[in-house]
Amino acid sequence: DVVMTQSPLSLPVTLGQPASISCRSSQSLVHSNGNTYLNWFQQRPGQSPRRLIYKVSNRDSGVPDRFSGSGSGTDFTLKISRVEADDVGVYFCIQGTHWPYTFGQGTKLEIK
Amino acid sequence: QVQLQQWGAGLLKPSETLSLTCAVYGGAFSGHYWSWIRQPPGKGLEWIGEISHSGSANYNPSLKSRFTISLDTSKNQFSLRLASVTAADTAVYYCARKTQRDGVDYWGQGTLVTVSS
Repeated sequence: DVVMTQSPLSLPVTLGQPASISCRSSQSLVHSNGNTYLNWFQQRPGQSPRRLIYKVSNRDSGVPDRFSGSGSGTDFTLKISRVEADDVGVYFCIQGTHWPYTFGQGTKLEIK
Repeated sequence: QVQLQQWGAGLLKPSETLSLTCAVYGGAFSGHYWSWIRQPPGKGLEWIGEISHSGSANYNPSLKSRFTISLDTSKNQFSLRLASVTAADTAVYYCARKTQRDGVDYWGQGTLVTVSS
């Protein structure tokens, strides 16, 4: 199975400051059709996961432009330009290129 | 807005059968893949399997085909079944939608299933 390694696992951030989460895969996530199926999710406390970014860098409808995704191949990053209180929760990546699909361990973002 | 609403028994004894159902509201049922994911306490997320709108199912090989995913297109619902549960099957179970174009998007609210004698 493809191993997804996220870092850091804990991310204390001051309000208004940027945050960055890394997700690395044990093999390339480029599908034979040319797409890279790497999505990012946010899970707020007590809620089900909400997708923020799909296929590396595409922001979902309604997601603030403070969130951005980048990367290629095996190395991907989720960035929050200015952290707000509402951003508290767990963030995780998921690869949908290789079966079975696998997840990063999750990064817990908290406010300092 | 697509919503997935799931339900099923939350407390099982060892050897009983886990049965969860997920209903899809507000979106097309056909053309997508319908998935089950679980997260044991203190552990990471694990993909159980998925079923296409035509009824073709794929399962995580690591789970040794213990699970069965089925769908009822007349009700826009899909289900998960696991016979002979053990304590190791204790987890929060999620249903989710996957599109061929963009991957996983919508999730259900999750169901905590506890296996205990």
